[in-house]
Amino acid sequence: KNQVEQSPQSLIILEGKNCTLQCNYTVSPFSNLRWYKQDTGRGPVSLTIMTFSENTKSNGRYTATLDADTKQSSLHITASQLSDSASYICVVSAKNSGYALNFGKGTSLLVTP
Amino acid sequence: NAGVTQTPKFQVLKTGQSMTLQCAQDMNHEYMSWYRQDPGMGLRLIHYSVGAGITDQGEVPNGYNVSRSTTEDFPLRLLSAAPSQTSVYFCASSYSDRGPMNTEAFFGQGTRLTVV
Repeated sequence: KNQVEQSPQSLIILEGKNCTLQCNYTVSPFSNLRWYKQDTGRGPVSLTIMTFSENTKSNGRYTATLDADTKQSSLHITASQLSDSASYICVVSAKNSGYALNFGKGTSLLVTP
Repeated sequence: NAGVTQTPKFQVLKTGQSMTLQCAQDMNHEYMSWYRQDPGMGLRLIHYSVGAGITDQGEVPNGYNVSRSTTEDFPLRLLSAAPSQTSVYFCASSYSDRGPMNTEAFFGQGTRLTVV
């Protein structure tokens, strides 16, 4: 069964600090991996999309990495801001699965002053 | 462009009532889908459509119907609401998820539904 596991479940950091969120998946055959940011009461918003051949992609202070061999991804947030407080969701899609997206449960990040 | 628009934002239903959640997108996307989000769980696919006139079931389709008469609209119908359908519902659209394009999915703001 295709699964996406995220860690930690929740995280609290001080404003200005860096943090790294983890995603492990068993989705096969792999098509792409996405990271989404979901603010409370809002829909998810895409941060990055990576295919098999890409092992790093940045979007401002967000940098995602992908190791397709070990089926792991990470999202690194640099110089955190209060507005980074949100849930971060890892989503993996498989080839030949129609349009199915496999969602992780998300990591809830709280940035405090 | 408004993106993906969902209505209503909030809804309370009594058990057994029916209703339609509306979803519209103005990006000419082929693919549209409905998800539900429950506490402690990832988003789960209810139904999806790869184009006008074509729909298919996702992971949790029971109790829901969909239709796709136009490219823009993809309504989700609850036939006879049950407390287990209390959830936050998200509609999403994308140009295509196949081939090398791997374009991103755009989500609506969500509909928070409570069934009492």
